Amino acid sequence: EAGVTQFPSHSVIEKGQTVTLRCDPISGHDNLYWYRRVMGKEIKFLLHFVKESKQDESGMPNNRFLAERTGGTYSTLKVQPAELEDSGVYFCASSLTSGRRTRADTQYFGPGTRLTVL
Amino acid sequence: GQNIDQPTEMTATEGAIVQINCTYQTSGFNGLFWYQQHAGEAPTFLSYNVLDGLEEKGRFSSFLSRSKGYSYLLLKELQMKDSASYLCAVKMDSNYQLIWGAGTKLIIKP
Repeated sequence: EAGVTQFPSHSVIEKGQTVTLRCDPISGHDNLYWYRRVMGKEIKFLLHFVKESKQDESGMPNNRFLAERTGGTYSTLKVQPAELEDSGVYFCASSLTSGRRTRADTQYFGPGTRLTVL
Repeated sequence: GQNIDQPTEMTATEGAIVQINCTYQTSGFNGLFWYQQHAGEAPTFLSYNVLDGLEEKGRFSSFLSRSKGYSYLLLKELQMKDSASYLCAVKMDSNYQLIWGAGTKLIIKP
């Protein structure tokens, strides 16, 4: 079974440009999450999809970030325009369920996209 | 606010046992995860504790005490490949997001 995949693995852009990150979750996982880790800090939650609906986007830093999951399969995270402080590693995770307190709630992570804004 | 504390770095010897502690103070609780992360790679799931007590899985065990806001990850028969960062994360019951500790870098010496 394929794991969570993310594309690209690295992206270097200039301030003011636009970047789109893609995440393909594990097949059959309705729950998809985006997280971010900036240098020297802990991983922070960005948002949570259940199928194509945004369940929780309380972690999105501002309106320069737009996440979509059309069709409830893969998801994209667009940053427009990018700022220097957006640099970091963006992780995507997926899970079968989210609130059942069972092993099915386990979030499986992709390798991340390392974004550098110059 | 939410707070999760774990030691920044630990060193242990190959073949030995090491315990990595995690304390948490969060406004909700729906379970606690431990992940392993090698540099430049994805966090890999190790364990999930919902109820108090010890969960054992091979060389790795994880313990939870909800009343004390405390968990630990126990690694036995350490191998060089266990050198990695170990991340503690609490799942919130309000929105199921994970709140993360900063991670513990474990260094294994021969």
